[in-house]
Amino acid sequence: GAGVSQSPRYKVAKRGQDVALRCDPISGHVSLFWYQQALGQGPEFLTYFQNEAQLDKSGLPSDRFFAERPEGSVSTLKIQRTQQEDSAVYLCASSFSVKTRTNYGYTFGSGTRLTVV
Amino acid sequence: QKEVEQDPGPLSVPEGAIVSLNCTYSNSAFQYFMWYRQYSRKGPELLMYTYSSGNKEDGRFTAQVDKSSKYISLFIRDSQPSDSATYLCAMSALLGAGGTSYGKLTFGQGTILTVHP
Repeated sequence: GAGVSQSPRYKVAKRGQDVALRCDPISGHVSLFWYQQALGQGPEFLTYFQNEAQLDKSGLPSDRFFAERPEGSVSTLKIQRTQQEDSAVYLCASSFSVKTRTNYGYTFGSGTRLTVV
Repeated sequence: QKEVEQDPGPLSVPEGAIVSLNCTYSNSAFQYFMWYRQYSRKGPELLMYTYSSGNKEDGRFTAQVDKSSKYISLFIRDSQPSDSATYLCAMSALLGAGGTSYGKLTFGQGTILTVHP
C-alpha cells in the first residue's frame, strides 16, 4: 500500500500478558520511528531504526519494551508483562531520509491502540 | 517542566474565524519546527514545516517561528468545519544525543480545535 500500515488496530491485553505490535513502513523508507501517545498527550519518542540498525532506543520506558527491524523493512514493537500504564496508542512513522534537515516529512501510521486491563 | 508546552484547549470557534495556535519551548537547540494535524483515531499528518525563525504561508495556513522568544504559532484563516482536529506542534534539533542527526521529534501536548458551522 501507499501508507504506513500498523496492526492490530486495537489490542486489549490482560495485565502481565506479552504483546507484539507490527509496523509495515512505506516501501524503500530507510528511517523508522516508534512513538507512544497517551490519552490527551502528544506522541513521545520511543526508538529509531535506520534500515535494520536500531540507532536510538533512549525513549523506551523500561526493559519490558523491545523493538526490532531484522530485515530493514517490517518492524515489531514487543511489550513484555504489560502494565496498565502501558495503555496508549503506539504510532509508527517512516521516512526516506536519514538526516534531520530533510527528515521532517514523516508518514505516520494510524497506530495501535493498546488497552491493558 | 516539558521541553515543549502547548495549551491543550479545547478551542471552539465559528466557521470563518481566524484561529491562532501556539507553543513555547525551552531547548534552544531546536531548529526545525513543524505543525501536525491529527484527526480522531488517525496518525498525525504534516501541515507545515519551518526551519529557524521566520514565517511560512501555505494557503489558509501561516506558521511563524520566533526563536528569540522560543515561541511558534500557527494561524488558520477562514476556518472550516473540516479543520476540526487536534493540532500538534513538533520540533527537532539538528543534532540529537550523541551527535545523531536523524530527526527525532519532540511534540507538544496538542490543541483540540472544533470549528462549528
